[in-house]
Amino acid sequence: GAVVSQHPSWVICKSGTSVKIECRSLDFQATTMFWYRQFPKQSLMLMATSNEGSKATYEQGVEKDKFLINHASLTLSTLTVTSAHPEDSSFYICSAPYLGGGGETQYFGPGTRLLVL
Amino acid sequence: DAKTTQPNSMESNEEEPVHLPCNHSTISGTDYIHWYRQLPSQGPEYVIHGLTSNVNNRMASLAIAEDRKSSTLILHRATLRDAAVYYCILTVSGAGSYQLTFGKGTKLSVIP
Repeated sequence: GAVVSQHPSWVICKSGTSVKIECRSLDFQATTMFWYRQFPKQSLMLMATSNEGSKATYEQGVEKDKFLINHASLTLSTLTVTSAHPEDSSFYICSAPYLGGGGETQYFGPGTRLLVL
Repeated sequence: DAKTTQPNSMESNEEEPVHLPCNHSTISGTDYIHWYRQLPSQGPEYVIHGLTSNVNNRMASLAIAEDRKSSTLILHRATLRDAAVYYCILTVSGAGSYQLTFGKGTKLSVIP
């Protein structure tokens, strides 16, 4: 089956620093990837849609200058949390759509846990 | 977007079948019914999806009501590894790279 990886799996950083999270589709190409954020005991919230070769589309309320998304190739999207603050501490998850025999499904990465001190 | 309604939580004994319900009374004719699950501290995992007919795969079965206003995810023999939050999500067919809107899902606990 299709596999999506994320790196790093967890990161601790100081307030004010920037953190980059990578999302890779390992055995398929994805022109679109999605970034989600999940706070403890809550559901996943879509942050943005990453588009290969063009600008990302952000959901309402998500600051595009704070959460920089780059979809540089058909297998890699990166999310950079700039000037991170403690309120950005969360579980960040990416997904990529995969078109198989039964139609399109989404494959998710294992998530990146960010803790900002 | 058409909404889904699921119970907040359910319990099952290990090795017994589990029926997870989902109501989607405002579903449109082009909406697919998808189920994903999220194990603790992991990203969601695709389980199954269907449009009108019942579907089976190695993980589960999906029973869709004739009027499509409800569906049931069936785990035939629950194991401890099936303890997770199960999400029932509607997606529009032919929409290309669709985005998923997650509700609160059903937290399934499996009792040994």
